[in-house]
This record gives sequence, structure tokens and C-alpha cells, in this order.
Amino acid sequence: AQKITQTQPGMFVQEKEAVTLDCTYDTSDPSYGLFWYKQPSSGEMIFLIYQGSYDQQNATEGRYSLNFQKARKSANLVISASQLGDSAMYFCAMREGFSGGSNYKLTFGKGTLLTVNP
Amino acid sequence: ETGVTQTPRHLVMGMTNKKSLKCEQHLGHNAMYWYKQSAKKPLELMFVYSLEERVENNSVPSRFSPECPNSSHLFLHLHTLQPEDSALYLCASSQVGFDTFYEQYFGPGTRLTVT
Repeated sequence: AQKITQTQPGMFVQEKEAVTLDCTYDTSDPSYGLFWYKQPSSGEMIFLIYQGSYDQQNATEGRYSLNFQKARKSANLVISASQLGDSAMYFCAMREGFSGGSNYKLTFGKGTLLTVNP
Repeated sequence: ETGVTQTPRHLVMGMTNKKSLKCEQHLGHNAMYWYKQSAKKPLELMFVYSLEERVENNSVPSRFSPECPNSSHLFLHLHTLQPEDSALYLCASSQVGFDTFYEQYFGPGTRLTVT
């Protein structure tokens, strides 16, 4: 079973509108962290936002917010007021546990290609 | 230089060549990572170095050989590669801690083509 599922291969949004990118995850570990990264066509992965499994509130970073629904195991990224520069691939990733070799491992989803239209 | 840098940005090599990819981080982190990103596949973790010791090797073929001489530098030595090894190779760094999760910061990647 996939640990990170991003069901939207591609999304389109009009400039200045909000968009939600879906991410569901699978883990039996009570301690985990969820990350979103942006990858423009240049290739660099840019860290956007983090949500810990024990965090009571949804994470926010500027125009990015994370809609964390723990019981549903979903961690959707919301981008408000989309800009043309937001056009990129977006990856959801998870890190499980605090000990052992998997402590370091980020498991990535397949990504969602977001296109912002003017 | 700031963040994580990688050289070269693009590399074309034949199957019999030997080459090395270089990564340098300027963030004071104590862990470094190599990832492979192939078309239409999720990012795959290859190697992890924490405090200059290799702590993870994700069943990577021996034609890929990592080296971490210090906490700021990471190399990936390549020899007798196959065409299916063509991909974007990303280096990342992070702090590692045993009671919290730290984000990884990525370099711009090396686009490798094996002919």
C-alpha cells in the first residue's frame, strides 16, 4: 500500500483564487510529520509547510495552510490567492517515528502539477 | 553561497565512464541525503548520512557509491551506469533530532543522462 497518495495528477486554478491539493497518508506510527514541497521546473524542491501528528492546530505559512484531518489521515495543502509563480509540482511527504533507520526517511507522493492561469 | 548547492547541474556520461556528483550545504546541518527522481515516479531515497556516518542505504546498486568526508560535503560516485539511471539526482540536508522532525532542504539537482 502506498504511504502517501496524491490523487490529483494535475490541477488548474485562476490567478488570485484559492486551490486545495489533496494528500492522504497511511501509517500506524503515532508519531509522524507531514511536509509539503514545491518543485518548479528548475528542479529544486522547496520546503513549504510542516504538520506534526501531535499538533493541535493546522499549520500555516503565509499563503499556505495545511488542512490536517487526523482521523481521515489527510493533510491537504491550501494555497490562497494563487499567483502565476505558484505553477509547479507539489509533493506531499511523510516522516514516521523518532527512532531507527526510518527516522530519517521522507516518503514522497507522486505529486500534483499545479497550473495557475492568468 | 547559501543553502544547498550541487555540481554539476547537468551531466551526460557514457556507460563506461566514471563521474562524481558533488553536494555542499551551508546550513550547519548534521545529516545529508541523496535522492533519485525519475520521470513519473515518486522521489526515491538512496542514501542518508548522519554525523558523517551512513545510516541508510536503500538497496542501491553498487555502481552508485556515496562519500561524506565531513558534515558539509556529500559526493555520489558513479561508474558503469545504465541508461535507466538517467534521472534528476537531488541532494538534501537537515538537522536530525530524536524528539522532533526537521524539514529537509534540497539542492537544485543534477540532471544525469546516461548514453
